[in-house]
Amino acid sequence: AQSVTQLDSQVPVFEEAPVELRCNYSSSVSVYLFWYVQYPNQGLQLLLKYLSGSTLVKGINGFEAEFNKSQTSFHLRKPSVHISDTAEYFCAVSLSGYSTLTFGKGTMLLVSP
Amino acid sequence: DTGVSQNPRHKITKRGQNVTFRCDPISEHNRLYWYRQTLGQGPEFLTYFQNEAQLEKSRLLSDRFSAERPKGSFSTLEIQRTEQGDSAMYLCASSHRSVPEEAFFGQGTRLTVV
Repeated sequence: AQSVTQLDSQVPVFEEAPVELRCNYSSSVSVYLFWYVQYPNQGLQLLLKYLSGSTLVKGINGFEAEFNKSQTSFHLRKPSVHISDTAEYFCAVSLSGYSTLTFGKGTMLLVSP
Repeated sequence: DTGVSQNPRHKITKRGQNVTFRCDPISEHNRLYWYRQTLGQGPEFLTYFQNEAQLEKSRLLSDRFSAERPKGSFSTLEIQRTEQGDSAMYLCASSHRSVPEEAFFGQGTRLTVV
């Protein structure tokens, strides 16, 4: 079975600073990888996804992520964060050919002025 | 299209009561999923439908839980004899056959069992 580990439960950062949210996964077969964002009392919004092809994936709101197969990682990055990026971020994985998602426990990004 | 719609947004119920939640997926999305999210955790898969057929159920889905999607459009999730441990956010998502991996989530129904 696949699993997802998000190494940081909270990441505090100042506005306009760069940020990296870490995600590692384990699976014995090919996977698809996703990052979702969740604002308070809201559902999840897809930020970006990796299905195949280029390992550097660009998403909405200036976020990007890099798939590293050898390190089984899919870290999320943004060069300059805004206050409005404060939210919970979830990394998720699905097996190739399946569409159900396995999520990590989430990382709370706290952006302060 | 306004996205995936879930009703109600909030539900408070007494232990032992039955509750039912509704999910309206994005039109023409043939796949519909239910997830449960407890405080401080990521969403956990419960079950999914392809059209009206329920194709997969998680071990988390006890006998007190039942989900239906009678005409392949909206879905309902019923919890019978609620317990305090059922308190959670219940999320519905849908995806289109052309891109089944891209799930769009609703805003969720927050259940509190007192």
